Amino acid sequence: DAKTTQPPSMDCAEGRAANLPCNHSTISGNEYVYWYRQIHSQGPQYIIHGLKNNETNEMASLIITEDRKSSTLILPHATLRDTAVYYCIVRREGAQKLVFGQGTRLTINP
Amino acid sequence: EAQVTQNPRYLITVTGKKLTVTCSQNMNHEYMSWYRQDPGLGLRQIYYSMNVEVTDKGDVPEGYKVSRKEKRNFPLILESPSPNQTSLYFCASSFTGRNQPQHFGDGTRLSIL
Repeated sequence: DAKTTQPPSMDCAEGRAANLPCNHSTISGNEYVYWYRQIHSQGPQYIIHGLKNNETNEMASLIITEDRKSSTLILPHATLRDTAVYYCIVRREGAQKLVFGQGTRLTINP
Repeated sequence: EAQVTQNPRYLITVTGKKLTVTCSQNMNHEYMSWYRQDPGLGLRQIYYSMNVEVTDKGDVPEGYKVSRKEKRNFPLILESPSPNQTSLYFCASSFTGRNQPQHFGDGTRLSIL
C-alpha cells in the first residue's frame, strides 16, 4: 500500500473549516484514500473514503487532486469535539488491512 | 446499537499470568482484527481473521494467540504476558466486501508488571 505524508499537527478556530492535507504521491490506480480519526485514546473512527472523485458525507468532505497524488479532508464547521488525531490511509481495493501512520493532531481552539 | 465490545477495558497484571481480552461484534461482520498502539509506533496489526476458523498473523504476532470459533467473537490470548506487551489494544471488524469501513472497539489498556 502507498505511503502517506501528513503534517504532525494543525490548529483551527472553532466554527471555521479545518482543511487537513495528505500526500500520497505513489498511490496506485486501484488504491483508495481513507480517513479515520482517533479522539484521545478511543478507538479510531471511520470518516470518509474515495477513489478519484470528491466525496461528501455528514461528517466531512474529501477532495482528491486530479493526479490523485494528494487529498484534503475538510471539516466544514469545526467544533471542539473535532479535536483528534486524523489518519490518512491508502488502501488497495479488496484489501482489509489498515496501515496507520502518525497522523495529524488537529486542535480546535475556542 | 452496532458496536464492537472489548473486555476488560483496563487490566493490570503480572508477568506470566495468562490473560484473555475478549472482543465481540453484533454486526455480522466476517473480518475481525486486533491492533496494538504504542507511543511513537502508532497502530500495528497483531492478528486478523477473514471468517470463522480462518486466522492469520499481522505485523506483530509474537506472544499472542487468537481464535475464531464463532463469527461474533475474536478473543486475544496472551499465554505468558511480558512487560513489552503493555499497550493499548483495539479490536476492529468489518464486512469483507469492497471498501467496507472498519469499526473499532473502545480499547483495552493492559499493564504487565
